[in-house]
Amino acid sequence: QVQLVESGGGVVQPGRSLRLSCAASGFTFSSHTMHWVRQAPGKGLEWVAVESYAGSNKYYADSVKGRFTISRDNSKNTLYLQMNSLRVEDTAVYYCARDMGVATDYWGQGSLVTVSS
Amino acid sequence: EIVLTQSPGTLSLSPGEGATLSCRASQSVSRSYLAWYQQKPGQAPRLLIYGTSTRATAIPDRFIGSGSGTDFTLTISRLEPEDFAVYYCQQYDTSPYTFGQGTKLEIK
Repeated sequence: QVQLVESGGGVVQPGRSLRLSCAASGFTFSSHTMHWVRQAPGKGLEWVAVESYAGSNKYYADSVKGRFTISRDNSKNTLYLQMNSLRVEDTAVYYCARDMGVATDYWGQGSLVTVSS
Repeated sequence: EIVLTQSPGTLSLSPGEGATLSCRASQSVSRSYLAWYQQKPGQAPRLLIYGTSTRATAIPDRFIGSGSGTDFTLTISRLEPEDFAVYYCQQYDTSPYTFGQGTKLEIK
């Protein structure tokens, strides 16, 4: 069955960096576009970034553009989110999600990132 | 950026009643690229509806999506106890792939 498992979250000071990973299994990872979506505590969903299946196309939310980088290693079935210059407002649960062309059909359980001094 | 506005913010209903949730877009969205998700506390979102009206795998037929252009609706007939949750719409038409702010469906 499809599984997405995020890791790498934790507590980090403002201005520092963190890299999230999302390990995929149960499907052909290299055939699917993948997304990162986040949710601040008690708030709604915010789409963060997307990368096409071959890594040729990447798009970002304005709120993270220039600071976050999405990438993937299809040989390891893993999606990444490199987060630099972190801000307090980046505090959230970060989900990776699989693209099915017109929506995201599978989501991981999320990884909590807390940015605090 | 396409802004999605969901209403109402909170809907208080009883099991067995019907619910109507609205999602209005700031510009036209292709019917192919409007989706609805359900999220329960402490859980990841679950895909309910894609392409405006197509139910995802294992989603009961009491969930009905409709709409076009800038106005989309999720109707839940005969609410079951497990339906009380937060619902989000998302547009997949144009990056950034924005979500609405959510409608909380609570037990009255």
